[in-house]
Amino acid sequence: EPEVTQTPSHQVTQMGQEVILRCVPISNHLYFYWYRQILGQKVEFLVSFYNNEISEKSEIFDDQFSVERPDGSNFTLKIRSTKLEDSAMYFCASSSLGSYNEQFFGPGTRLTVL
Amino acid sequence: GNSVTQMEGPVTLSEEAFLTINCTYTATGYPSLFWYVQYPGEGLQLLLKATKADDKGSNKGFEATYRKETTSFHLEKGSVQVSDSAVYFCALTPPRGGGSTLGRLYFGRGTQLTVWP
Repeated sequence: EPEVTQTPSHQVTQMGQEVILRCVPISNHLYFYWYRQILGQKVEFLVSFYNNEISEKSEIFDDQFSVERPDGSNFTLKIRSTKLEDSAMYFCASSSLGSYNEQFFGPGTRLTVL
Repeated sequence: GNSVTQMEGPVTLSEEAFLTINCTYTATGYPSLFWYVQYPGEGLQLLLKATKADDKGSNKGFEATYRKETTSFHLEKGSVQVSDSAVYFCALTPPRGGGSTLGRLYFGRGTQLTVWP
């Protein structure tokens, strides 16, 4: 069964450093998303991406964040200068053309900013 | 705005007990409603969904009915198993034109369910 994969599973970084979180969506999906969950809090939407551009972003997704689909398979989230409050579990998701609201999630990357 | 409220956990049950996890929502119009489940060490998996009022979503013995009059989508299962132990998330996507384009999900806080043998 096709699945969304994410790497790394756990990333530890120093405050102020750049991190790139990687995702490989399901191959025939066209819509891509990033969500995050700070420990003990809700899963929050960050950004959606379609046709090589951002479709929607939340107020969390400020200038420190960017997304990219550098090739036909990867979908990345970059945080330019990490802050302590960026520590969270980051989930990538994808959905298909016919079922845009049925999203398939990856296992997540736990980001720890020290 | 759009939001989801679900009952606080953790919920601890014995095997074969009846499960209810309450979920209510706030949204304009008719959102689509979802329950996701997260097993330990895994990502969020769609458990069931309902896209219009009075629809019942069901999967793996779990059910939830979209109640517009009470803005609720409570998750139920008649007889839980140890393997159902997981975190359950209620979520919604607004209707098209409801301030979101590509099915942005709004999640509740999640409810941890532990089932003992």
